[in-house]
Amino acid sequence: GAGVSQTPSNKVTEKGKYVELRCDPISGHTALYWYRQSLGQGPEFLIYFQGTGAADDSGLPNDRFFAVRPEGSVSTLKIQRTERGDSAVYLCASSPLAGDTDTQYFGPGTRLTVL
Amino acid sequence: SQQGEEDPQALSIQEGENATMNCSYKTSINNLQWYRQNSGRGLVHLILIRSNEREKHSGRLRVTLDTSKKSSSLLITASRAADTASYFCATDAWSQGAQKLVFGQGTRLTINP
Repeated sequence: GAGVSQTPSNKVTEKGKYVELRCDPISGHTALYWYRQSLGQGPEFLIYFQGTGAADDSGLPNDRFFAVRPEGSVSTLKIQRTERGDSAVYLCASSPLAGDTDTQYFGPGTRLTVL
Repeated sequence: SQQGEEDPQALSIQEGENATMNCSYKTSINNLQWYRQNSGRGLVHLILIRSNEREKHSGRLRVTLDTSKKSSSLLITASRAADTASYFCATDAWSQGAQKLVFGQGTRLTINP
């Protein structure tokens, strides 16, 4: 079946603007994760959803970042008042359950550029 | 924050040679995973090794884990041009019932034809 999809693939915005990044997980996957990857670095955890609720948002850098998953499927990462330092690739991953053997399946990412 | 470090940061070898990448981490783990990333986009899961395992094989991949040294290695045998990518190790960090992954900085592997 289809893998994790993310839209848009690229987003260019101006400093101070609001952006939304969308993630469609694999159908039936309960757990959904957002990561951020800066140039030359490994991905860093942002937030995790189990179903509709954000079970762990400890990785969100500040209150300009917010994510929702209202129906337990699609998730949207929202960034307010974007800053140049927010430029990165935002990766979404899903897994069937939050178990210790569950592989996380990653989407292709959204490359965000803040000018 | 990054959990560990990969070594080397970049590796360039000839097609057909073996490639070895190392990963060190800081805290106790339940498992360690290796991922591949092409062109800075989506990550592909390669292999998972549990903390009670010392070695694991998958095709041309061999992973070792030394929990006493908090280190792991990924060996790719008989490399191909298509293996050119960045390789990341990721350890598990459990929180709120979920296994979030903590990645290293990656090794950029280039296979020269």
